[in-house]
Amino acid sequence: GAGVSQTPSNKVTEKGKYVELRCDPISGHTALYWYRQSLGQGPEFLIYFQGTGAADDSGLPNDRFFAVRPEGSVSTLKIQRTERGDSAVYLCASSPQSFDTGELFFGEGSRLTVL
Amino acid sequence: DAKTTQPPSMDCAEGRAANLPCNHSTISGNEYVYWYRQIHSQGPQYIIHGLKNNETNEMASLIITEDRKSSTLILPHATLRDTAVYYCIVRVEVTGGGNKLTFGTGTQLKVEL
Repeated sequence: GAGVSQTPSNKVTEKGKYVELRCDPISGHTALYWYRQSLGQGPEFLIYFQGTGAADDSGLPNDRFFAVRPEGSVSTLKIQRTERGDSAVYLCASSPQSFDTGELFFGEGSRLTVL
Repeated sequence: DAKTTQPPSMDCAEGRAANLPCNHSTISGNEYVYWYRQIHSQGPQYIIHGLKNNETNEMASLIITEDRKSSTLILPHATLRDTAVYYCIVRVEVTGGGNKLTFGTGTQLKVEL
């Protein structure tokens, strides 16, 4: 498809389990972002990739969260030892360059529920 | 990045103009005003951005006051599909610095028949 694709769209897991969320950005977009959105709140920045490297990971809440983008395209957000507070919609966005017109193209998100 | 203040909710009749205000009284000279919207269960969608001049595109118009302390997003002929949360964001353009947008809680616009 032409847009940002995120899988799974929904994930239910138990406290303490490991979770991976995948983002497939728009082809050719070098910049990729992960955001997290809790109920009733705006999206919150987690991490930004320029190519393969994480240029800014200041939004990752703790060391249980990790993201990779090994070939500069698809990215995976990894959450270890999940906690109930990790329940949220995880949004991925991409843009053509590190900073273009300010337009980020968002996917529809992966809804994570930790029981 | 400067903080923004938006009303939590607004209503608009279909076919009328929707005027969404945003206060950003601490904005700096090199900070841009961006607007995104988020329709229920979807990711945010870029609408428009500007620095000091008014801007218009196929989706909306952005009016920025002369002192830049506030702005208004105008949807000229609102439809039911414009029902969404609208976010006003202020940030500095930094080449190579990434687009780390800081979203607030936005304005829930409800367009009604």
